[in-house]
Amino acid sequence: NAGVTQTPKFQVLKTGQSMTLQCAQDMNHEYMSWYRQDPGMGLRLIHYSVGAGITDQGEVPNGYNVSRSTTEDFPLRLLSAAPSQTSVYFCASSYKSIGYGYTFGSGTRLTVV
Amino acid sequence: KNEVEQSPQNLTAQEGEFITINCSYSVGISALHWLQQHPGGGIVSLFMLSSGKKKHGRLIATINIQEKHSSLHITASHPRDSAVYICAVKPAAGNKLTFGGGTRVLVKP
Repeated sequence: NAGVTQTPKFQVLKTGQSMTLQCAQDMNHEYMSWYRQDPGMGLRLIHYSVGAGITDQGEVPNGYNVSRSTTEDFPLRLLSAAPSQTSVYFCASSYKSIGYGYTFGSGTRLTVV
Repeated sequence: KNEVEQSPQNLTAQEGEFITINCSYSVGISALHWLQQHPGGGIVSLFMLSSGKKKHGRLIATINIQEKHSSLHITASHPRDSAVYICAVKPAAGNKLTFGGGTRVLVKP
């Protein structure tokens, strides 16, 4: 089924560990983005990409890296996990042109202890 | 002041009641999105609006571009409508969405 696939769904990390959250879409969307959702804070943009080879920072980029080597994949890397990065992470994609909606992944619940 | 404000933050209704959620924004936009998130669940796009009104089943979304305001209505509400409803705006230039804080809706049987 076409859509945005996020893995893993759940993850527990120890402080200082690194990991990569995977996001893949099969709709040929140019735009992909990562958000984190925290209680009382709403969704906040971490990083985004408007096409392969192009990435930019969002509202809360510190502690996260991204790359976009293909149109399909947009992984989010935590270099040295901190308890403040405990959150639910969502990946979303869209066509760049106006008039198109967004498709969200099912989320990754990350706990850093 | 947030760029996107939703009201109310929480809403409790009895099954069958008409529900209205409001969203006000302060920037020029190319589109406004209404999203639904069930407890512990993913995010589903309900509507994308740039003008006027859209209807899907018991859900109706309206937008007034001049007043920078949108409403989401749920007619004949049902317990399965219990969820968080999120308003998000896409700016006139660029793709970055700005989200409202969400409205938590509980429909009691």
